[in-house]
Amino acid sequence: EDQVTQSPEALRLQEGESSSLNCSYTVSGLRGLFWYRQDPGKGPEFLFTLYSAGEEKEKERLKATLTKKESFLHITAPKPEDSATYLCAVQAGGGGSNYKLTFGKGTLLTVNP
Amino acid sequence: GAVVSQHPSRVICKSGTSVKIECRSLDFQATTMFWYRQFPKKSLMLMATSNEGSKATYEQGVEKDKFLINHASLTLSTLTVTSAHPEDSSFYICSARYGEKLFFGSGTQLSVL
Repeated sequence: EDQVTQSPEALRLQEGESSSLNCSYTVSGLRGLFWYRQDPGKGPEFLFTLYSAGEEKEKERLKATLTKKESFLHITAPKPEDSATYLCAVQAGGGGSNYKLTFGKGTLLTVNP
Repeated sequence: GAVVSQHPSRVICKSGTSVKIECRSLDFQATTMFWYRQFPKKSLMLMATSNEGSKATYEQGVEKDKFLINHASLTLSTLTVTSAHPEDSSFYICSARYGEKLFFGSGTQLSVL
């Protein structure tokens, strides 16, 4: 069974204090690892897709990296508006048109001014 | 990016009534849409995969007679919670596949009294 574990569950940072969120996964053949941002009472907003170990992607203050066992979401000099829950999800391989994503519970990030 | 519209955003109903939630892909055609359920501080749980023009595929443990899914066109999928009970209160989110990315609606908070 595919599993996604995110840590920490919650993280409080001061504005400008860089840090990383972790997403550990076990999956039978990774097709893709996804990072989403979710604000309270809203649906997830797509951030990144990573497909293979060693791949990195950046967007503004966020950088996502991937290894064979985990992914990190690095936040550089965060601002209060970066406060949200960050979700990690994996898509397993297996061929066909299966596009099922397995989500972690998320990391609630709070950035204080 | 692709836009997925979901409504209503919030609905309150009496126990025993049925509630319909709509999910529309606004600027693209989606042959496949997904319905998720999310409890507070929990991960998104896939309920079913909605395929245009065919029956939905339900995840294990999800009652297909209780959660009716219709995907009558390439831009619209609906989820009907039939004979709703308080335990059905939750945050329901739809998503649509656009290429290799999954875009989400803004979610529907269902409260059953």
